[in-house]
Amino acid sequence: RKEVEQDPGPFNVPEGATVAFNCTYSNSASQSFFWYRQDCRKEPKLLMSVYSSGNEDGRFTAQLNRASQYISLLIRDSKLSDSATYLCVVLGSARQLTFGSGTQLTVLP
Amino acid sequence: DAEITQSPRHKITETGRQVTLACHQTWNHNNMFWYRQDLGHGLRLIHYSYGVQDTNKGEVSDGYSVSRSNTEDLPLTLESAASSQTSVYFCASSESEREPIETQYFGPGTRLLVL
Repeated sequence: RKEVEQDPGPFNVPEGATVAFNCTYSNSASQSFFWYRQDCRKEPKLLMSVYSSGNEDGRFTAQLNRASQYISLLIRDSKLSDSATYLCVVLGSARQLTFGSGTQLTVLP
Repeated sequence: DAEITQSPRHKITETGRQVTLACHQTWNHNNMFWYRQDLGHGLRLIHYSYGVQDTNKGEVSDGYSVSRSNTEDLPLTLESAASSQTSVYFCASSESEREPIETQYFGPGTRLLVL
């Protein structure tokens, strides 16, 4: 079983739609959680951290459920510029990041 | 502006050759990392360093080595390139004192093809 699992997609949604991505992790000792964004053939960039209480950054909302070892990312009012691959990332007890293989999103005009 | 660069950006080599990929950052970050990215696997950690003269093995370190002789550079060497090492390689850095380790800044990547 992979340490971090994501639905690879692709998710194809129209502009303005709301889309949600899910991620599960296997190591219950994981300390911190993040979403990174990766544009085609580019480097990953930190999108947002995920806190236990849930957190929001503009149109993006991240949720963490430690009991179920589950992380989510909600994007509201999708823009064409949101098209990318979204990587679920977990910081383990060894202070190393473990990346999911990513969920591909395409926002259609 | 401070940045992290990788060279070369593209490389074609032959099986058995030694290859070195360069990574240079100007943020004065203590922590540096090398990852490889393959379809279906996401990014996997190869080696990492928390400071000068410190190096550690990651998840997929076999066939790779690194050295950290100064703060700015962490070159990655493939001792004897194999076709299984065809991949996209990303270098990253972070500053653990002012920011959490998870705020890693990535270089633009090196695409390596081993024939």
